[in-house]
Amino acid sequence: LAKTTQPISMDSYEGQEVNITCSHNNIATNDYITWYQQFPSQGPRFIIQGYKTKVTNEVASLFIPADRKSSTLSLPRVSLSDTAVYYCLVGGPFSGGYNKLIFGAGTRLAVHP
Amino acid sequence: DAGITQSPRHKVTETGTPVTLRCHQTENHRYMYWYRQDPGHGLRLIHYSYGVKDTDKGEVSDGYSVSRSKTEDFLLTLESATSSQTSVYFCAISESGEYSNQPQHFGDGTRLSIL
Repeated sequence: LAKTTQPISMDSYEGQEVNITCSHNNIATNDYITWYQQFPSQGPRFIIQGYKTKVTNEVASLFIPADRKSSTLSLPRVSLSDTAVYYCLVGGPFSGGYNKLIFGAGTRLAVHP
Repeated sequence: DAGITQSPRHKVTETGTPVTLRCHQTENHRYMYWYRQDPGHGLRLIHYSYGVKDTDKGEVSDGYSVSRSKTEDFLLTLESATSSQTSVYFCAISESGEYSNQPQHFGDGTRLSIL
């Protein structure tokens, strides 16, 4: 059963860099790693996806070590609007059936002034 | 944003009544999903579809059924609603599922209360 482990919650301050790590020891060869952000009363929103090494887009970076058993979402210079729940998801529906669509409880990030 | 519309957005009903939630997409994506979200549980997959009339169960499918007669519509039915099915329901779509590098795009959710 594919499973990811993330910290339940994190706190930060405006302007700081935030790193959220997700453990996924059972990642399969074909699995991609995808991160989502969710604000209250909204559906999750895709942030970034990667397979190995480092991926960067306009909002975040994703670091994946060579063994791919973990990944780290990096949010540079967070603001109050980055307060949200962040989910790590490994794989997709047909890279292992519905077991790969288990989101877990996510990491609740609180950014303080 | 992906064109996903969930209806209704809010619903209050009584135990034992049938309830149908609708998800409509304008993206022509092949894959559609229904999740429920409850405090402390994150998102849990109920059912998903990989094409018209092609559906499969997810992690928490008991008490739910789905139907997909058209690419754009995915219906979730609670045949006889129970209080334990009070939750926020999210629909999601993805362009494909064979490769895991196709992210899902979510609707804004339906808040369902069963009294």
